[in-house]
Amino acid sequence: QQQVKQSPQSLIVQKGGIPIINCAYENTAFDYFPWYQQFPGKGPALLIAIRPDVSEKKEGRFTISFNKSAKQFSLHIMDSQPGDSATYFCAAHYGSSRGGKLIFGQGTELSVKP
Amino acid sequence: ETGVTQSPTHLIKTRGQQVTLRCSSQSGHNTVSWYQQALGQGPQFIFQYYREEENGRGNFPPRFSGLQFPNYSSELNVNALELDDSALYLCASRRTGGTGELFFGEGSRLTVL
Repeated sequence: QQQVKQSPQSLIVQKGGIPIINCAYENTAFDYFPWYQQFPGKGPALLIAIRPDVSEKKEGRFTISFNKSAKQFSLHIMDSQPGDSATYFCAAHYGSSRGGKLIFGQGTELSVKP
Repeated sequence: ETGVTQSPTHLIKTRGQQVTLRCSSQSGHNTVSWYQQALGQGPQFIFQYYREEENGRGNFPPRFSGLQFPNYSSELNVNALELDDSALYLCASRRTGGTGELFFGEGSRLTVL
């Protein structure tokens, strides 16, 4: 119940394409859903996040779509660039605002071809 | 730049040894968490400290322990190292009064031989 399932495991798109990464969860106690971007040899960097009372959030070229009833959320990257090639992790927060933890998906390795 | 710094960046230990990893976060970040990231996997929650007390722990054995200090620095200690402890260890901090955003350091890459 505390799992977050992420797909696909890897994704290859052409420059300008719109990669979509999907995540699903079971635990309705999750209260915050961030996406992280990680380059090789680096720590995860917070990209964008959403709370379950919102169905969509956009920040620049990144959009989160959230479907509370289906317990699914996804990341869309508009006009993808080779510099977006990285591993992307969805996550879900569980616990109090002063405590709690993030449950991460398994990651999606994105490659954007020039 | 997240303001979270970790040391050392890389280290190699042998099975059975002990290791201490260090993390320093910004002033005002009173919550610090540690995560273990095995190769090709998502980070796994180890534990969290708030105001120098552990207030959450993941599914890790007691040989994983930690400390948080008044100056916003933190330590992760692992005793009796096993081969499976080889991973990237990530420190993350949250701003006081923050709404959940965790900011990660670059990690410490531990190799156990």
